[in-house]
Amino acid sequence: EAQVTQNPRYLITVTGKKLTVTCSQNMNHEYMSWYRQDPGLGLRQIYYSMNVEVTDKGDVPEGYKVSRKEKRNFPLILESPSPNQTSLYFCASSSAGGQPQHFGDGTRLSIL
Amino acid sequence: QKEVEQDPGPLSVPEGAIVSLNCTYSNSAFQYFMWYRQYSRKGPELLMYTYSSGNKEDGRFTAQVDKSSKYISLFIRDSQPSDSATYLCALEGGNNNDMRFGAGTRLTVKP
Repeated sequence: EAQVTQNPRYLITVTGKKLTVTCSQNMNHEYMSWYRQDPGLGLRQIYYSMNVEVTDKGDVPEGYKVSRKEKRNFPLILESPSPNQTSLYFCASSSAGGQPQHFGDGTRLSIL
Repeated sequence: QKEVEQDPGPLSVPEGAIVSLNCTYSNSAFQYFMWYRQYSRKGPELLMYTYSSGNKEDGRFTAQVDKSSKYISLFIRDSQPSDSATYLCALEGGNNNDMRFGAGTRLTVKP
């Protein structure tokens, strides 16, 4: 089954404690991206990757890092989380940039 | 002004009603238009994908694009309780294949 898998699905943590949200896709997609979803603001892109070792900033990259060492994996790293990063996060992938994306089921992060 | 405007609702209709969901946009560089459906606690899933002005039909769903007015719509015929979800419009275009999403409209179809 084609899917994008995110872990964890839920996380409550404290300010400043580094965390990583993993994302993996099994569709051999070139393009992967991370979004955050906040009420009234919709989905906003954090970072995207056109291919292995190629990443670029989206609209709201501050406070986040990513890496793309393998085609299937695209982890999101919060090195020093802050309360304003409390949000619902989605990883997505597609065959190429601009194409319809497959989304994971989301990770709800709460940073106290 | 946001690049993509979508009425967040909520919208509540009786089963069997025709539903109309809409988005307006300001950037004429957008060339591809999508509608996603998002159930509670799930990620968005693609419903419709189109790149031209006019109508595209798929079962009970019709996507309509009017590039001259920068207006897109999704119509749902014979709405069902299982259609209750949040619907997101998404637009893509420009030099960097920029993707922009509307804020989503929450729809409830009552039996």
